[in-house]
Amino acid sequence: DTEVTQTPKHLVMGMTNKKSLKCEQHMGHRAMYWYKQKAKKPPELMFVYSYEKLSINESVPSRFSPECPNSSLLNLHLHALQPEDSALYLCASSQELWGSYNSPLHFGNGTRLTVT
Amino acid sequence: AQKITQTQPGMFVQEKEAVTLDCTYDTSDQSYGLFWYKQPSSGEMIFLIYQGSYDEQNATEGRYSLNFQKARKSANLVISASQLGDSAMYFCAMREQKAAGNKLTFGGGTRVLVKP
Repeated sequence: DTEVTQTPKHLVMGMTNKKSLKCEQHMGHRAMYWYKQKAKKPPELMFVYSYEKLSINESVPSRFSPECPNSSLLNLHLHALQPEDSALYLCASSQELWGSYNSPLHFGNGTRLTVT
Repeated sequence: AQKITQTQPGMFVQEKEAVTLDCTYDTSDQSYGLFWYKQPSSGEMIFLIYQGSYDEQNATEGRYSLNFQKARKSANLVISASQLGDSAMYFCAMREQKAAGNKLTFGGGTRVLVKP
């Protein structure tokens, strides 16, 4: 069983909808990540939180809004998305963001998002 | 420039045989970590094996081993005794020791199909 839990597994939303993706980890990790993965492509980093503070934003459009309510939870709020935003959204966690090049990221099962 | 290169887009392998997946990387850092992940069609990203830049011995984890050639900047994954469940996408990835954070960067991936 994966130790990073993502909900929902599938999401279909219209371009005017507001929805949220949720991610939870209980491994005591202090860094949490959002990745976007298009079909047949590698994951691309979107955001990183370290100790509940946004540390990296890879120039992601403002229609994606991350939130880290506490050290175990990570949300991604979605508003006014475009069909090209349809993708697999992966959440991940790791022990630390800095000084930790030797520790892996642990991923959740992802949310398959379709924007109609 | 690509930091992680996987030159094999797809491979067929006979069940019970070994398969080698190629990965070359580009970095000027002395401290970095190399990772392999497996992604089945279900979407989850499964961590398989890790090799550190200072590790002198090749990493092994069950049927997975990593052929690390530092001078050539290559970190090939070897899967021994292939099983049908090994059919998946495989990604090579790297974390570098950077002041901006130790982000995980993926290669383009290799799709493996195990034939019975």
